[in-house]
Amino acid sequence: GENVEQHPSTLSVQEGDSAVIKCTYSDSASNYFPWYKQELGKRPQLIIDIRSNVGEKKDQRIAVTLNKTAKHFSLHITETQPEDSAVYFCAASEGNKLTFGGGTRVLVKP
Amino acid sequence: ETGVTQSPTHLIKTRGQQVTLRCSSQSGHNTVSWYQQALGQGPQFIFQYYREEENGRGNFPPRFSGLQFPNYSSELNVNALELDDSALYLCASSQGETQYFGPGTRLLVL
Repeated sequence: GENVEQHPSTLSVQEGDSAVIKCTYSDSASNYFPWYKQELGKRPQLIIDIRSNVGEKKDQRIAVTLNKTAKHFSLHITETQPEDSAVYFCAASEGNKLTFGGGTRVLVKP
Repeated sequence: ETGVTQSPTHLIKTRGQQVTLRCSSQSGHNTVSWYQQALGQGPQFIFQYYREEENGRGNFPPRFSGLQFPNYSSELNVNALELDDSALYLCASSQGETQYFGPGTRLLVL
């Protein structure tokens, strides 16, 4: 089955700096890669996703890149703000299920 | 916020008991997936239902079972509860690839 590795597990950045989270996946059949943000005690919230026929996607301060050959994808957050502090999960989809990475706890220091 | 709701929000059970968790899908979504999220980890796929039929299952024992109803709402049943079943149980509804999560039910097994 699919296996998703996510790094780093924790990330501390100064407000205004960029944050980068990296994920690798094992199943070349995976073709959909969403990113979720989960604040303490709340539901995972979809923030951006990318499909395997696209190499990069951007939405305001958030961008995701995908390298199918290397089987890795990354989340980039620019101009970080305190409200970006949360746990971020990457996931890969093979057919009907999402396989999640272990999460990255991001702390944005004002 | 998504239109996905779950009940109850919290539940305390003892070992060996049975529990039923409920999920109402977002309007127009015919697919529901269930995930188990242990503390500090990413969600783990339990199973998915599409138009009232099971459409994939993760690595969970048969004591985890589910149902989907004609209105696409869903139940997750867990029999013979074990201490390790303590977790946040999330449902996600979808129409296509993108999954939207409910707020979860936090289950504590004593």
